[in-house]
Formats: sequence, structure tokens, C-alpha cells
Amino acid sequence: KAGVTQTPRYLIKTRGQQVTLSCSPISGHRSVSWYQQTPGQGLQFLFEYFSETQRNKGNFPGRFSGRQFSNSRSEMNVSTLELGDSALYLCASSLGEDEQFFGPGTRLTVL
Amino acid sequence: GQQLNQSPQSMFIQEGEDVSMNCTSSSIFNTWLWYKQEPGEGPVLLIALYKAGELTSNGRLTAQFGITRKDSFLNISASIPSDVGIYFCAGRYRDNYGQNFVFGPGTRLSVLP
Repeated sequence: KAGVTQTPRYLIKTRGQQVTLSCSPISGHRSVSWYQQTPGQGLQFLFEYFSETQRNKGNFPGRFSGRQFSNSRSEMNVSTLELGDSALYLCASSLGEDEQFFGPGTRLTVL
Repeated sequence: GQQLNQSPQSMFIQEGEDVSMNCTSSSIFNTWLWYKQEPGEGPVLLIALYKAGELTSNGRLTAQFGITRKDSFLNISASIPSDVGIYFCAGRYRDNYGQNFVFGPGTRLSVLP
């Protein structure tokens, strides 16, 4: 069974631009969660989607948004990028109420 | 909110030694998970624990779910160079919105040959 895939793996943007990251969960998994990982703050929860609905949201500004499609694939969007948005963005999928499996992440660098 | 503490923050050990690290919280969790992350990659699930007192092994790794449901430990026996990485614990709990995961800050393990 294929694992969680994320695209792109690396991305360089400039301040003020917007970016969209994509995540394909493990086949059959309906829950997709997004995390931001930085050296200073560790793994911080962004939001979780289940059956196309945002089920939970972390403490991030409205510039961070996401959605989930009917095939459970999810996208995350960050608008008006700031230097502090540079991070590894991780997607994790689960069947619903149990352990999460992570993708390799998208490394975003904002210049 | 829920918070997890991990100790030690980092450790340097000789190849062949056993390793012990733990994760504590003031909150109760329903599930404890242990992940390992290598540079440039996402965390990989090592062990999942579902019941207080549960002791589970995965090869050279052994983890336990504390009986108070507020802590967990991970042991690695006979360490090898490929054990190098950052080990994260995560606790799962439910609220009105669904499941939530909280991650510890990680324990960075270095193995000296």
C-alpha cells in the first residue's frame, strides 16, 4: 500500500506570494491533518479534514487555509507569505480515530 | 492546553548501548505514539499504545503506556548507527471536535561508532 505523498517536496517563494501544497493520503484513509514544523516551535497542528469537512483547527492566522476533495486528497494554501512561514509542512493521514501516518513533507522557503 | 515534555532533549551514546527516553504530561491521553524523524523526512510511526499499562515491542524498541495515562517511555536496546534521529512522542485525546494529537519537542539521538 502506498504511503502518504506530498507535492512538491521543495518550494521557494518570496514574501507576499501565495502557495498551495498537496497531500494524497494512504488509500482508504479519510482523515488528513496538516502540521507546520520549525526548529523553534516543533510540530504545530494546523488543521484536520475528514470527509471534506474541516473538523479541527489549530491556532494559525487566516492566511492558512485548506480543503479536502471527495477522493480524500487535501490541499493547503498559504496567502501573503511571510519570512516566518518558512518551515517543513507535514501532512498526516489516518483512518479516522487512530494513529497518524506522515508524508515526507514539503520544505517551504520564503525569501 | 495539552503539552508534552520529553527528556532528555538530546543524548550521545556509544553503539551497542541501550537508550531510554520518556514523555510526560499533566494531561491524560487515550493513545500514545512514538515516531522517529530523520533529516529532511517526515516522522515515521514506530509504536502505538492504546491502553494504560500496555507494553509493546517492535524489534529492538519497547514502549510502555504509563498507568496514570500521563506518561510513556521508549527504550532502544543495542543501539546502532541507523538509530540516529529525532524521536517524538505524541498523545491523542478527543474533544468536541474530534481527535487531537499533541507532539512533544523531541529527543535527538546521536550514536557514536
